[in-house]
Amino acid sequence: DVKVTQSSRYLVKRTGEKVFLECVQDMDHENMFWYRQDPGLGLRLIYFSYDVKMKEKGDIPEGYSVSREKKERFSLILESASTNQTSMYLCASSFHQGAYGYTFGSGTRLTVV
Amino acid sequence: KQEVTQIPAALSVPEGENLVLNCSFTDSAIYNLQWFRQDPGKGLTSLLLIQSSQREQTSGRLNASLDKSSGRSTLYIAASQPGDSATYLCAVRAQGGSEKLVFGKGTKLTVNP
Repeated sequence: DVKVTQSSRYLVKRTGEKVFLECVQDMDHENMFWYRQDPGLGLRLIYFSYDVKMKEKGDIPEGYSVSREKKERFSLILESASTNQTSMYLCASSFHQGAYGYTFGSGTRLTVV
Repeated sequence: KQEVTQIPAALSVPEGENLVLNCSFTDSAIYNLQWFRQDPGKGLTSLLLIQSSQREQTSGRLNASLDKSSGRSTLYIAASQPGDSATYLCAVRAQGGSEKLVFGKGTKLTVNP
């Protein structure tokens, strides 16, 4: 069964910590995406990558960075975690010009205290 | 700028009822439209993907239709069950090479036994 795997389901970090969220897909997808989801605000795109070492800012990139060194792995980095980054983080992947749609991971609930 | 709206935000029905969830989008130049299901605290599960050239897609008790000219899609759920309780989101991908999906905020469905 093809899938997108997020390394942690729940994560609690302290303010100011550097946080890494990892996402791995086994479908040979070119595109990978990071979203955050908050009540009342829906899903908002943070960053996406359309190829290894390529990245593009989404709608809310401030306070985040990303890394894509291998095709199957896309990491989201919170350089200095803040309480307003407490959220559900969702990773997704797709083929270029994807006729097959997006596949999502199971999400990481991050709490910053 | 593409905007996706889902009305109502919440819906409660008795078990066994047939129901329709609505999705509207402002720009008809879409590449495809995807319906997802999200259980509380979980990631998104793809239900149906409709290409711009298609009018509908079916999977089991689910049927999704697409009317590009009017900017509308519906998700029909036949003979609803308590296990169908979840939030349903629709998302559109624009034509012209954009790899990004634009999401609605979802309809939270509760099916009462």
